[in-house]
Amino acid sequence: ELKVEQNPLFLSMQEGKNYTIYCNYSTTSDRLYWYRQDPGKSLESLFVLLSNGAVKQEGRLMASLDTKARLSTLHITAAVHDLSATYFCAVDMPKRNSGYALNFGKGTSLLVTP
Amino acid sequence: DAGVIQSPRHEVTEMGQEVTLRCKPISGHDYLFWYRQTMMRGLELLIYFNNNVPIDDSGMPEDRFSAKMPNASFSTLKIQPSEPRDSAVYFCASSLFPFRQGAFFGQGTRLTVV
Repeated sequence: ELKVEQNPLFLSMQEGKNYTIYCNYSTTSDRLYWYRQDPGKSLESLFVLLSNGAVKQEGRLMASLDTKARLSTLHITAAVHDLSATYFCAVDMPKRNSGYALNFGKGTSLLVTP
Repeated sequence: DAGVIQSPRHEVTEMGQEVTLRCKPISGHDYLFWYRQTMMRGLELLIYFNNNVPIDDSGMPEDRFSAKMPNASFSTLKIQPSEPRDSAVYFCASSLFPFRQGAFFGQGTRLTVV
């Protein structure tokens, strides 16, 4: 079974601290995506990682991809309250009957406290 | 482009009634996905289409669920008859293979079956 696993699932951190969210996946893929979801809202694309070693940064967030280890990380630097949200990673994997589909992890609920 | 458009945004219906959710993907996209999101099960892929053809419906929970894509600009997800356990947020997303920008999500339909 194809799996995308995130950890931790819940994260409470203080403002100003650093932390890393991990995303492991169970099959070969060169493309990984990070999304953000605010409560009651839709999913918003954060990063698209398209090759091994890809690194993308936006503000206090940095994402990287290691396709050999089947691992992506989302690093948070000097967290601020506005980063409180749920973060999802997704991998596109071949499905039965051909075609590809985006498979999502369960999400990491991040709460940044003063 | 206005993005992926879903309707209605909210739907409250009584158990046993038929519910139809609608989605207009981004013009030019060749993949369309239907996801369901609940607290317990997270984000589940229900079915997806490639060039209007259903590719994999293995995520559809029961025969009460059906989906169609009669043309490139319109898709429906129907539940008949609806049950309280179908209450969830249903997202439609579209993408252009090979997913170099990931998938773009609609605002979702919050379905409540009472």
